[in-house]
Amino acid sequence: DQQVKQNSPSLSVQEGRISILNCDYTNSMFDYFLWYKKYPAEGPTFLISISSIKDKNEDGRFTVFLNKSAKHLSLHIVPSQPGDSAVYFCAASARAGGYNKLIFGAGTRLAVHP
Amino acid sequence: AAGVIQSPRHLIKEKRETATLKCYPIPRHDTVYWYQQGPGQDPQFLISFYEKMQSDKGSIPDRFSAQQFSDYHSELNMSSLELGDSALYFCASSLSGRSYNEQFFGPGTRLTVL
Repeated sequence: DQQVKQNSPSLSVQEGRISILNCDYTNSMFDYFLWYKKYPAEGPTFLISISSIKDKNEDGRFTVFLNKSAKHLSLHIVPSQPGDSAVYFCAASARAGGYNKLIFGAGTRLAVHP
Repeated sequence: AAGVIQSPRHLIKEKRETATLKCYPIPRHDTVYWYQQGPGQDPQFLISFYEKMQSDKGSIPDRFSAQQFSDYHSELNMSSLELGDSALYFCASSLSGRSYNEQFFGPGTRLTVL
């Protein structure tokens, strides 16, 4: 059973506009969430994270929103740039349970076009 | 900045052979994680080590074993290789004691079993 779900396999956005990538989770024990960006033939690159005690975290063009009651988080990229084109993975961990492993979603392929 | 180093980057083996993948974490990182990413799939957690002790175990086959050495590098040993073992194997490292579980990934080893 997929505990972290990214229901949109792909997303196409025009350069300069906002990209919104969504992620849902089912395990209420998750208390830390991360977004990774992955280019072909490279390992996932850490992008931004959020603790379950917060509902928003911002870093430059990237903002992550967490809605605990809905078990939903989203990554906003504003403005989107062609270099943002990659696969974005949502990941979650349950540190309170003593487990630090990351559970990944299936990924969303973002294409930013001119 | 120094990143996670994995070797080899590519490996081709025949069925029933053995393979050893190596991971060198970011300096001062004391925790190492191994993930397996099959074609078109999300990374799946295999096993992790903290201070040379196994800290968590995921969906790692009994044919696989791993360890972390005194210099914190880790090796994933895979025996009796099967076609289904063909995948990208990522190593990630993190620093324990931090408030946040940010794992930094290496470039991966692409294993092809023929």
